[in-house]
Amino acid sequence: DGGITQSPKYLFRKEGQNVTLSCEQNLNHDAMYWYRQDPGQGLRLIYYSQIVNDFQKGDIAEGYSVSREKKESFPLTVTSAQKNPTAFYLCASTLTGGWRGSTDTQYFGPGTRLTVL
Amino acid sequence: GIQVEQSPPDLILQEGANSTLRCNFSDSVNNLQWFHQNPWGQLINLFYIPSGTKQNGRLSATTVATERYSLLYISSSQTTDSGVYFCASLGPTGTASKLTFGTGTRLQVTL
Repeated sequence: DGGITQSPKYLFRKEGQNVTLSCEQNLNHDAMYWYRQDPGQGLRLIYYSQIVNDFQKGDIAEGYSVSREKKESFPLTVTSAQKNPTAFYLCASTLTGGWRGSTDTQYFGPGTRLTVL
Repeated sequence: GIQVEQSPPDLILQEGANSTLRCNFSDSVNNLQWFHQNPWGQLINLFYIPSGTKQNGRLSATTVATERYSLLYISSSQTTDSGVYFCASLGPTGTASKLTFGTGTRLQVTL
């Protein structure tokens, strides 16, 4: 089945630790995205990548880092510099990097719930 | 950037009832989409609707781009419709598929 997988489903982090969230897609999509969702809130863009070996900061990139070494993988590292990392993290992808007027729809993974202890 | 406002923030319906969810935008929109997030967090794309009207089963959506709003209609609601509904758009200067999401309408359908 084609789709997006995220792991782990639940993650617990101690203060001062870096953690990496996995996102893999087998849809052959060029573009991938990381969002953060806080309780009762909408989604906010952390980072996005329109093509392999390229990525850009979103609206709330501070304290996060990403890499895009393979088309199908876009891992997100939550560093100790992120002061309030407890949230639900969603990965998404689109067929192309998209430009203004793009008709691409976004497909989402099941999410990772990160809790800082 | 573009501001996205959704109303109502919360909605409780009895099974079988109809509802209308609204999305207002602060600027002209591109790539307007509606999503449903189920109680387990999974987001599913419902519609890509930059203008006009589309229907998919009991759901339909209308976007009036010139007036900067979109509506999502749910008819004969079922308990499986519960969850949060988000609209999102690129905005007039958007590049990539860098969507701005609203804060959502939380729908609860009861028996």
